[in-house]
Amino acid sequence: DAGVTQSPTHLIKTRGQQVTLRCSPISGHKSVSWYQQVLGQGPQFIFQYYEKEERGRGNFPDRFSARQFPNYSSELNVNALLLGDSALYLCASSLRPPSNTEAFFGQGTRLTVV
Amino acid sequence: AQTVTQSQPEMSVQEAETVTLSCTYDTSENNYYLFWYKQPPSRQMILVIRQEAYKQQNATENRFSVNFQKAAKSFSLKISDSQLGDTAMYFCAFMKPSKLTFGKGITLSVRP
Repeated sequence: DAGVTQSPTHLIKTRGQQVTLRCSPISGHKSVSWYQQVLGQGPQFIFQYYEKEERGRGNFPDRFSARQFPNYSSELNVNALLLGDSALYLCASSLRPPSNTEAFFGQGTRLTVV
Repeated sequence: AQTVTQSQPEMSVQEAETVTLSCTYDTSENNYYLFWYKQPPSRQMILVIRQEAYKQQNATENRFSVNFQKAAKSFSLKISDSQLGDTAMYFCAFMKPSKLTFGKGITLSVRP
């Protein structure tokens, strides 16, 4: 069975540009969460989506947005990129809002803003 | 807001020995979940072990076990018979209600 897949694996963008990251959850999983992991730190929660609705949002500016599609895949969009947005972006999927289930992580997208 | 603290930035252990990684957290919640995740150089975040706060019994998964002290808000991970493949970053994480809050992580190196 395929795990959580994220694309692309690496990305280089210029300050001010926009970027879209993609995530496909494990088959049957309806919840997707996004995390930002800056080098040397633990992941920080950005968004959670369940059944195509936003169920949680972390302390990130409005430049960050996301959506979930009918097939439960998800996109994370970041506008007006800043150097500080350089990080590993992780996607996690679970059966339902992870109150009592495991969150399975993808391998992440490494975003570098220059 | 919940916070998770991992005060040891790195540790080293000899292969086959036992090592304990420390974690403390702060919350006003009564029901929650605690996790230890492993992140090797491949970047994949892998669940090591999970503990439900309402369970007094400490969780165990093969060579991995936890010492969960709810009153002290402490959640340490013990790795027995350390193996070279255990070399990775380890993150302690708190879950409530629908998001994970991670500590800063600890780099564990297993020496041959």
